[in-house]
Amino acid sequence: AQKITQTQPGMFVQEKEAVTLDCTYDTSDPSYGLFWYKQPSSGEMIFLIYQGSYDQQNATEGRYSLNFQKARKSANLVISASQLGDSAMYFCAMRDSSSGTYKYIFGTGTRLKVLA
Amino acid sequence: AAGVIQSPRHLIKEKRETATLKCYPIPRHDTVYWYQQGPGQDPQFLISFYEKMQSDKGSIPDRFSAQQFSDYHSELNMSSLELGDSALYFCASSRPTSGGPTDTQYFGPGTRLTVL
Repeated sequence: AQKITQTQPGMFVQEKEAVTLDCTYDTSDPSYGLFWYKQPSSGEMIFLIYQGSYDQQNATEGRYSLNFQKARKSANLVISASQLGDSAMYFCAMRDSSSGTYKYIFGTGTRLKVLA
Repeated sequence: AAGVIQSPRHLIKEKRETATLKCYPIPRHDTVYWYQQGPGQDPQFLISFYEKMQSDKGSIPDRFSAQQFSDYHSELNMSSLELGDSALYFCASSRPTSGGPTDTQYFGPGTRLTVL
């Protein structure tokens, strides 16, 4: 069965430092996508970064990078040079085609607090 | 860039009343997904539509129904509302590329439904 696990309910990081948010996944489908979303206190879900199962290189988008370790089934989000505005809930999500459609399943999220 | 539009943003209803949530996808996106996020929880998939036909169904109560119209907007109809239906309801849209599991879903700002 497909599953996403985020083991860190909450994290603190000092402003300007880097932080890694963990995500492990489980799927039997060789073709899948992994996504990270940010949810600030205002509630919207903001797409950050995507990694495909066949991608050879780790995805990067500005200060966000994804540490994709396929053999370990992990897709950790790295935020460099943290800013106060990065304080939010972060969700890891997976989409695969094993069910025949492309709905997402989400992890339980990690609440990140950036300290001044 | 145009984003997913959801209306209303906030809705307060009494128990046993009905509610209709609307979603307008990003232009040229033909797939719409609905998710429900309870307080402190991760989003749960409800239902999706592709080219105006239901493509997948998740944990959507029988009291809820949805459809996608010819202009690709979607409506989620909720009847006999219960206290437990209080949640943030997201609509997301995506466009098919290869048709595989790599299509990013872009989320709207959500409709916060409160049932009293």
